Amino acid sequence: DAGVIQSPRHEVTEMGQEVTLRCKLISGHNSLFWYRQTMMRGLELLIYFNNNVPIDDSGMPEDRFSAKMPNASFSTLKIQPSEPRDSAVYFCASSPEGLANEKLFFGSGTQLSVL
Amino acid sequence: DQQVKQNSPSLSVQEGRISILNCDYTNSMFDYFLWYKKYPAEGPTFLISISSIKDKNEDGRFTVFLNKSAKHLSLHIVPSQPGDSAVYFCAASLQGGKLIFGQGTELSVKP
Repeated sequence: DAGVIQSPRHEVTEMGQEVTLRCKLISGHNSLFWYRQTMMRGLELLIYFNNNVPIDDSGMPEDRFSAKMPNASFSTLKIQPSEPRDSAVYFCASSPEGLANEKLFFGSGTQLSVL
Repeated sequence: DQQVKQNSPSLSVQEGRISILNCDYTNSMFDYFLWYKKYPAEGPTFLISISSIKDKNEDGRFTVFLNKSAKHLSLHIVPSQPGDSAVYFCAASLQGGKLIFGQGTELSVKP
């Protein structure tokens, strides 16, 4: 099993541009989580899906952020327009059992830099 | 507001000695606590956990201690090895809900 796959690994963009981060879940997992890592706040949960349905998006910073899960194995996180304060590492994680916390499998992350 | 805090951004320890990583939380209702470990360019991986009904959980060289009255959690690594060098995140949850993570502590174990 290849694990959770995120792309791109690194993204450098200019303020105002649209950014799309991608995530492929582990086969058989039914829950998907998007986290953001910053020095100040550590790992913050942005949104999570269960069986393709968004369950909790209270962590999404503002309307510039949106996430979709068009099918059971794939998700996107979009930032439009991007701002320098969005610079962070974005992680996707999947789980076979909803919020079963020990069984969160993280991808390697996308390092986003907004200039 | 940061409900889970790791006040030490970094820690340096000599190989063979004990590493103690600390974590404080503000919500006394949290009932499950976890430690995740993260190597550079990789995602975090689960390390060890503890339920609020316990005050200690041990797994090989790793032991987690929970002090509910102080709302304090610590991870002990004995003996520390260079391969333990990583960022350690503590996390808490309430009734199986979402994980609230701390800021992380970068551990460096020197040979």
